[in-house]
Amino acid sequence: NAGVTQTPKFQVLKTGQSMTLQCAQDMNHNSMYWYRQDPGMGLRLIYYSASEGTTDKGEVPNGYNVSRLNKREFSLRLESAAPSQTSVYFCASSDRNPGGANVLTFGAGSRLTVL
Amino acid sequence: EDKVVQSPLSLVVHEGDTVTLNCSYEVTNFRSLLWYKQEKKAPTFLFMLTSSGIEKKSGRLSSILDKKELFSILNITATQTGDSAIYLCASQGGSEKLVFGKGTKLTVNP
Repeated sequence: NAGVTQTPKFQVLKTGQSMTLQCAQDMNHNSMYWYRQDPGMGLRLIYYSASEGTTDKGEVPNGYNVSRLNKREFSLRLESAAPSQTSVYFCASSDRNPGGANVLTFGAGSRLTVL
Repeated sequence: EDKVVQSPLSLVVHEGDTVTLNCSYEVTNFRSLLWYKQEKKAPTFLFMLTSSGIEKKSGRLSSILDKKELFSILNITATQTGDSAIYLCASQGGSEKLVFGKGTKLTVNP
């Protein structure tokens, strides 16, 4: 059972280049998320998708786009990378449990460096 | 805007000490508060606290939720070096969105 799979694990870009982070989950979850983590900043929500076909902005959406390709896959795209986007990116998925809350399962993370 | 504040941001203790980590939250239509532990890689789930479950315990770890004062604490007794990690608190309101705090970095020295 793979859970949440992110690719690539590491990537180095030059300023202005574009790239897409891929995420897939095999738990049949409805909700999927992209977070970024910077030292001392915890996890900050970039975008989330509550269900297939819907996406919503989180706390730090500027400079990113997302696509919920189907129920399994949620991709994050950087159209023109900037050094401020150097970070570790985590994808996560969840469903509401019987108590009405979402417990996120995280991928292993993708370390992105923008030079 | 939903907000989660954790304190302290950093804590250094000796093995065997007891620690208390704090998390305050402001969220519309509160649904849950979650605690995660993050070592080298991805965060792993510890506890979920809701209106119907305000106290949880697992081994040396325990957590309570105070819905009136809008905070939660995570207690770790008899700390071990393996408890060294970043502890993250997150809160969820009426949507599917979860907002995290900045985390508390715990270092347990032998």
